[in-house]
Amino acid sequence: DTAVSQTPKYLVTQMGNDKSIKCEQNLGHDTMYWYKQDSKKFLKIMFSYNNKELIINETVPNRFSPKSPDKAHLNLHINSLELGDSAVYFCASSQIRDGGSTQYFGPGTRLLVL
Amino acid sequence: AQSVSQHNHHVILSEAASLELGCNYSYGGTVNLFWYVQYPGQHLQLLLKYFSGDPLVKGIKGFEAEFIKSKFSFNLRKPSVQWSDTAEYFCAVNPNNAGNMLTFGGGTRLMVKP
Repeated sequence: DTAVSQTPKYLVTQMGNDKSIKCEQNLGHDTMYWYKQDSKKFLKIMFSYNNKELIINETVPNRFSPKSPDKAHLNLHINSLELGDSAVYFCASSQIRDGGSTQYFGPGTRLLVL
Repeated sequence: AQSVSQHNHHVILSEAASLELGCNYSYGGTVNLFWYVQYPGQHLQLLLKYFSGDPLVKGIKGFEAEFIKSKFSFNLRKPSVQWSDTAEYFCAVNPNNAGNMLTFGGGTRLMVKP
């Protein structure tokens, strides 16, 4: 049973295209996230949704648009892909609790823009 | 802005050697602290976490970490590493008043020689 799953695992596309990455969690968590890991392995939060509402939106180009149809899903749509978008994108989820909560990560989507 | 520093970018050890990876953060308030491990080609997995209580935290696979508030540190240790510990290790911090946002350190790549 996969707790946090992402599709696709690999995505190779041309500059200028529009693509989507999907994420689903079956942990019953109320919060989901997207992180970007660059070629130097640096991890940075992009977005966070709590109960389908956006709560964190870091400095990310507006070509990136997250969509949360329900608590278990958080998809990432990217318009007009650029070379610099090549990275590994990780989805994560957690249950918000007073005192702290733990984020669980998906397997990642490796995006290569040519 | 809050930052998380991992001073060792690359560490090479022989099997059975002891390991200590440094992590320092700049946030002055109450924090939750995490260490995640990323094995080659895989997603991030939680090694251990500190929310409150005993500052010496034990995690999976024989890892432990000590929270020293006065030094703003949360160093990761293992008394005897194995070849299978070869991976990238990430320290992450979540201030208690920052929603559930995680700020990651730059990662430490550990290579254990058999």
